[in-house]
Amino acid sequence: AQSVTQLDSQVPVFEEAPVELRCNYSSSVSVYLFWYVQYPNQGLQLLLKYLSGSTLVKGINGFEAEFNKSQTSFHLRKPSVHISDTAEYFCAVQTDSWGKLQFGAGTQVVVTP
Amino acid sequence: GAGVSQSPRYKVAKRGQDVALRCDPISGHVSLFWYQQALGQGPEFLTYFQNEAQLDKSGLPSDRFFAERPEGSVSTLKIQRTQQEDSAVYLCASSRGASTGRGGYTFGSGTRLTVV
Repeated sequence: AQSVTQLDSQVPVFEEAPVELRCNYSSSVSVYLFWYVQYPNQGLQLLLKYLSGSTLVKGINGFEAEFNKSQTSFHLRKPSVHISDTAEYFCAVQTDSWGKLQFGAGTQVVVTP
Repeated sequence: GAGVSQSPRYKVAKRGQDVALRCDPISGHVSLFWYQQALGQGPEFLTYFQNEAQLDKSGLPSDRFFAERPEGSVSTLKIQRTQQEDSAVYLCASSRGASTGRGGYTFGSGTRLTVV
C-alpha cells in the first residue's frame, strides 16, 4: 500500500522568505508524485508533478520540487513567498493506472508581512 | 463549461436525511473522480467513473453512499441516512482521457456538507 506523509501541519513564514514543505511517500513501485494548492473555499489546483526524468521539477507560481528516490521524498520549495501564497498545500501520489490519488494531510502555509 | 461545477456549494442536512450532490464535469471529459475531504485532512478517494461505468468504488465508506453517472457526463453522489461523520467537503474532479491520470485533472470547488 502507498502512503503519503506531510511532516508539517503548519508553516508560518515571512513575506519574501524561502519556504520548504516536506513530503515523504512509501511505495514499492514507480510513482507519480504531485503537489496541489488549495485556497480557501476553492478546489485543488495542480502546482507541479513528477512523472519521470529530471528529479527537479518546476511548477507554477515559482514553486519547484525535488524527487529523491533513495529518501522517498518530494519536498516543495519556493525561494521567496508572497502574501498570496497563503494556502493549504497537499502532496499526493498516484496509486493506480486510472489516476486515483492518495493525498497527505496537508500543510497550511501562512505568510505574514 | 469552462470548469468543473459542483452544486450545491453548501448543504446542511439533519441527521438521517438523504442528500444528493451534483457534479458537472468539463464537457467531453471521460474520467470523473469523487473525493471526500474531512476538516483538516487531505482528500480521500471515494469512487471513479470512466464514462458511465463505475470502475472503482472501493473508497465509498458504507452502503449509505451511492454514486452514478448514467449518461457519462453529470454525476451524482447520494448519501442516505446522513450521519455526523459524513460532514466534509466533497470534491469532484474530471479529466479528458481514460487511463491517464498523471495529474491531468480539474477539480471543482466542492460541496461542503454539514450534518446536524
